[in-house]
This record gives sequence, C-alpha cells and structure tokens, in this order.
Amino acid sequence: DVKVTQSSRYLVKRTGEKVFLECVQDMDHENMFWYRQDPGLGLRLIYFSYDVKMKEKGDIPEGYSVSREKKERFSLILESASTNQTSMYLCASSRLAGVYEQYFGPGTRLTVT
Amino acid sequence: ELKVEQNPLFLSMQEGKNYTIYCNYSTTSDRLYWYRQDPGKSLESLFVLLSNGAVKQEGRLMASLDTKARLSTLHITAAVHDLSATYFCAVRDDKIIFGKGTRLHILP
Repeated sequence: DVKVTQSSRYLVKRTGEKVFLECVQDMDHENMFWYRQDPGLGLRLIYFSYDVKMKEKGDIPEGYSVSREKKERFSLILESASTNQTSMYLCASSRLAGVYEQYFGPGTRLTVT
Repeated sequence: ELKVEQNPLFLSMQEGKNYTIYCNYSTTSDRLYWYRQDPGKSLESLFVLLSNGAVKQEGRLMASLDTKARLSTLHITAAVHDLSATYFCAVRDDKIIFGKGTRLHILP
C-alpha cells in the first residue's frame, strides 16, 4: 500500500518563527511536491523536486524554501512565518515517468498567529 | 499557460439523481486525473485517463476524456450521500495543474 506521511496534522506557530514541514514517502518515487490549499483558490504548487538535491519553483514559491537530502524525504521551510501562510499544506509524490499519478499525504493544517 | 476549469464549483443534488461535472483545459495533454477530497482529509486518486476516448468506471462514478475537445467529464449515476465530497480534475502539461474543485453535496 502506497504511503505518503507528513510530520504533523495540525501546527500552530507565531509570526516570525521558522517552520519545518516534513514529508516522507515509501514508494521510491522520484518526484515530490508541496502544495498549499486555500478555500476558493484550489491547490497551488509551491515547489517540486524530481531528484535528490534538485528543486524547481512552482507557482507561489515566495516565502518558502525546500530541502531534499534523501529520496524519500522532502521538507518545506517557512523562513519567517507570516499570517498569510496560514493554510492547509499537502505533500505528494509520483514517479518521474509513465502515468505520473500523484499520491497525497494527509495534509498539515498550519495556523500562524 | 495551462488553465483548468471545472464547473460547476458547487453542486447540491438529491440522492438517486444523475449529474455530470465538467473539466475543461486549455492546452493539449494526454494525462488527466480525477481526485476526491473529503472534508478535512487529503486527496484520493479516483481515475487516470491517458488517451482520447478513455472511459473509466468505478461504482457510480464514470470518467471520460475527449482530448480533441479538451474536456473530461465525471458522471455520477444514482447519487448516494456517501459520494458527497469535493472532486478535482488535474491535467499534466510540464507540471500538473489542478482545477478549483467541485464541491458535491448530496441530499438524503
């Protein structure tokens, strides 16, 4: 059974804090993704990675950075959290080629106060 | 730039009725995906459509793809309350772009 896990389901942080969101997949997938989901805006891609130490900006990378030191782990970093980063964050993974179907983690609901 | 539009964005319907959700996209693509999301949960893959004319069915849901019209449909037959959820289509260009989702509310 394929599995993508995220480090926290709910997180509350203060403005200005550095925040780490972790994602781990056990399917040996090459691609990993970070999205944020907001009501009325759907899913928006923040960053993705197609290999270890490789990363590409998505549609809304400002205020975020990522790290992929191992194939199975993809971290999203908020360098200095702000209230407009309050959102649901979803991690996903997929194979590099072929069907490219994405498998999603359970999500982290982040509140920045 | 690839755009993916779903309609309707919200649908309230009675149990037992049939309805269709539409997904239009703006560029050629041979990969279209349908996902389901329950409230407070993550996205679950429903269908992957890989070619023109592809049709896939699972229970009361049937998805189809017309690449020439750049249109996919998700048809619900004899809706039941358990199908209440938000449904997303997504299209692959150089990356995957999601529609805004259709929130389906099925009244008992």
